[in-house]
Amino acid sequence: DQQVKQNSPSLSVQEGRISILNCDYTNSMFDYFLWYKKYPAEGPTFLISISSIKDKNEDGRFTVFLNKSAKHLSLHIVPSQPGDSAVYFCAAHDYNQGGKLIFGQGTELSVKP
Amino acid sequence: DGGITQSPKYLFRKEGQNVTLSCEQNLNHDAMYWYRQDPGQGLRLIYYSQIVNDFQKGDIAEGYSVSREKKESFPLTVTSAQKNPTAFYLCASSQAGRRADTQYFGPGTRLTVL
Repeated sequence: DQQVKQNSPSLSVQEGRISILNCDYTNSMFDYFLWYKKYPAEGPTFLISISSIKDKNEDGRFTVFLNKSAKHLSLHIVPSQPGDSAVYFCAAHDYNQGGKLIFGQGTELSVKP
Repeated sequence: DGGITQSPKYLFRKEGQNVTLSCEQNLNHDAMYWYRQDPGQGLRLIYYSQIVNDFQKGDIAEGYSVSREKKESFPLTVTSAQKNPTAFYLCASSQAGRRADTQYFGPGTRLTVL
């Protein structure tokens, strides 16, 4: 039972354009969502997060949008840069599951010069 | 210079042997976690600990064991009972285990069973 899903395994965009990575979840009790960026053979690094009481959080080129009614969140990267090429994971926090983070499968973003 | 360290970076093991992966953090975090990543899959939780001397099974705990004798350390043992141990193992920590909080990850250990 996949509680957090990233349905696009890969995404390719041109440098300077917008990258939109999507994530869907099934559990309405999730109270906090995070995006991580991961390069091969390295640990994920934290990018940005959003509480379930908000619908938008912005940090520089990165913006996360949360649509609770649709159980959907998205990460926007504007403008995209070649250094953004990596695998992006969304994760959801469930207080009722002992504070575990539940991860999606990841989306591999490729930004072409 | 705070962070999470994992050692070794690469580890090779013969089938049937137990092996222990190290994870140390100097962030003064209460909670620590072990994940496994396989190609094309997300991170799956093996074990987690919210406080010293206490830990809980995650989603895929079979064939693994942990201990949490010190706040800074959370070693993971991959036993011979783990059917498919070859994977990339990631350790993480967070300030407070139950409250919504960011988890920070170590660099990972690539385990290969020969």
